[in-house]
This record gives sequence, C-alpha cells and structure tokens, in this order.
Amino acid sequence: SQTIHQWPATLVQPVGSPLSLECTVEGTSNPNLYWYRQAAGRGLQLLFYSVGIGQISSEVPQNLSASRPQDRQFILSSKKLLLSDSGFYLCAWSPRTSVFHYEQYFGPGTRLTVT
Amino acid sequence: GENVEQHPSTLSVQEGDSAVIKCTYSDSASNYFPWYKQELGKRPQLIIDIRSNVGEKKDQRIAVTLNKTAKHFSLHITETQPEDSAVYFCAARIPTGTASKLTFGTGTRLQVTL
Repeated sequence: SQTIHQWPATLVQPVGSPLSLECTVEGTSNPNLYWYRQAAGRGLQLLFYSVGIGQISSEVPQNLSASRPQDRQFILSSKKLLLSDSGFYLCAWSPRTSVFHYEQYFGPGTRLTVT
Repeated sequence: GENVEQHPSTLSVQEGDSAVIKCTYSDSASNYFPWYKQELGKRPQLIIDIRSNVGEKKDQRIAVTLNKTAKHFSLHITETQPEDSAVYFCAARIPTGTASKLTFGTGTRLQVTL
C-alpha cells in the first residue's frame, strides 16, 4: 500500500530564516505530487504541483518554491520566511498511471509557525 | 479559474439526524468532485467522491449527489454519530492532463450533539 511521509511534523522559525519541508511517497511510482497550505481555521490552498522529476507548476505567486529531485520526493523551500507563511503545510499525491484515478491523498502535514 | 463555494460554514445536528452540506462550482469543465473529512489537527481524509458522468454515489451512511446543469453537488450524512464531528471540505477537479488540480471549498464545521 502507499504511504506518504512529511517532516518535520512541527517547526518554529524566525522571520527571515530559510525553510525546507520534505515529502516522500512510498509504494507507488510516477505519482503526481502537490503542496497545499492551510491557514488556521481556513481551507486548503494549492501552492505547487508536479507531474514528474523537475516539473513544477506554481499556482500562487509567493515567497515559496518547490522542487522534485527524485520521483517520489517533493520539497518546499523558502529563502526568507515571512510571518504570513505560518500555517499547516500538506503534501499530497495522486496516481499518474491512469486518467481514471483522480483521488488525492494527503500526508500528515507540517505545522509551521513563523515568529 | 475554478471557484468553489461551500455552505453552511457551521452545522450542528443531533445524533441520529441527517446532515447536508452543499457546494457550487463555476467551471463547467470540472469532472471530479471529492469530499474530505478533517479532524482537528489531522490531515484531510478522502471519504467519498463522484465523477461528472454520475449523478449519485452512496457508501453506507454517506452519499454525494451531483447536478451538472446547476453546477452544484452535495454531501449527505444520515444517522449522524458523534464521530462524524469534523470539518468537511468539498473540492472540484479542473482537467489538467493527468494531474488532479483541486480547488477546495472553505469548509463546513459539523458538530453532532448527543
């Protein structure tokens, strides 16, 4: 079965510091990968998605970037964090093997607090 | 782009009653509509979904209906139980190759009281 991991689980960082969040998927090949942010008490905002190694689509102009160095690894980064970057960051995956499988599954998330 | 509106934002029902959450979408090309349940501090969990070629789908106590003409879809939970208390999100998929690019509603906080 497929498993998605994220780390760290929680993170407290000062304004202006860099950020690196990691997501890995096990048990599947060639997944589509996604980064979402959820502000406290709010909905989910799609930040980036990737359909393959090195292929990144950005949905919202912002202070963040994403990279996919390996098939099942997705990284979210920032050079300098802002207070507004605080939130719950969720990685998700969906199968890419068939156009009939649109289901998207979320990782456990990273709770980021920028102070 | 796609816009998904979700109502109500909060819903309180007594145990055993039914709960209905409604969503509307704007892009007629959207072809997949999942529902997620998120408990406090946890990840969203996919509970049911429906594709644009189907009008209704049921899984035990939960069901989803889709009206493509009106561009709205609804989640129905029957015989609610305290463990159904959570935030529920609807979403719509915009066809983007093989990627599932989802636009989410703002969520409904369901509270099931004893």
